[in-house]
Amino acid sequence: QSVLTQPPSASGTPGQRVTISCSGSSSNIGDNPVNWYQQLPGTAPKLLIHSNNQRPSGVPDRFSGSKSGTSASLAISGLQSEDEADYYCAAWDDSLNDSYVFGTGTKVTVL
Amino acid sequence: EVQLVESGGDLVQPGESLRLSCAASGFTFSTYEMNWVRQAPGKGLEWVSYISDSGSTIYYADSVKGRFTISRNNAKNSLYLQMNSLRAEDTAVYYCARGQIGFDYWGQGTLVTVSS
Repeated sequence: QSVLTQPPSASGTPGQRVTISCSGSSSNIGDNPVNWYQQLPGTAPKLLIHSNNQRPSGVPDRFSGSKSGTSASLAISGLQSEDEADYYCAAWDDSLNDSYVFGTGTKVTVL
Repeated sequence: EVQLVESGGDLVQPGESLRLSCAASGFTFSTYEMNWVRQAPGKGLEWVSYISDSGSTIYYADSVKGRFTISRNNAKNSLYLQMNSLRAEDTAVYYCARGQIGFDYWGQGTLVTVSS
């Protein structure tokens, strides 16, 4: 089972701001960079945020990441219909024989 | 253009073996760390294994340790996953993914079904 906990769902209307939380521990989020992935229906995951708050080239600045202690957050501002997807946080975990752990995933619905 | 193309997925019976491949192109494969990540039907993402650029450092998830073996051939720009003693719970789409901190490129995935 995943050691990073996310809410199962989040929703908003177009233009709204949606925030997704990711709760971990000192051995993963507390000690390592957090990454966020977006998975559109039927497609492979896509890196959205790396190293806590860095956007890869091509990712809109509507997406932002932050980290504090053993928790992290992904914010989507100006929500658009194409943002409807599953979102996963992830980080390396130093206590699990150097394992990379994904969050439980959050389904974002655009109302 | 970076491309990762997985192959080798199939329907197998419990206890059987399977070897997955990931063909890389569009970048200098030998300088990048690689991973396998899987996703069971209707479930979330699960990291399976990591291999360093030279192949000298390897990590596995506890769920596959002792049964799966990751390897790479830098001369052939290819990543592999040898899966032995397969179980029903190994049924998933298997993705290869590039990177170490953030996995910045992913393949389209290959489906492994373990069922009698």
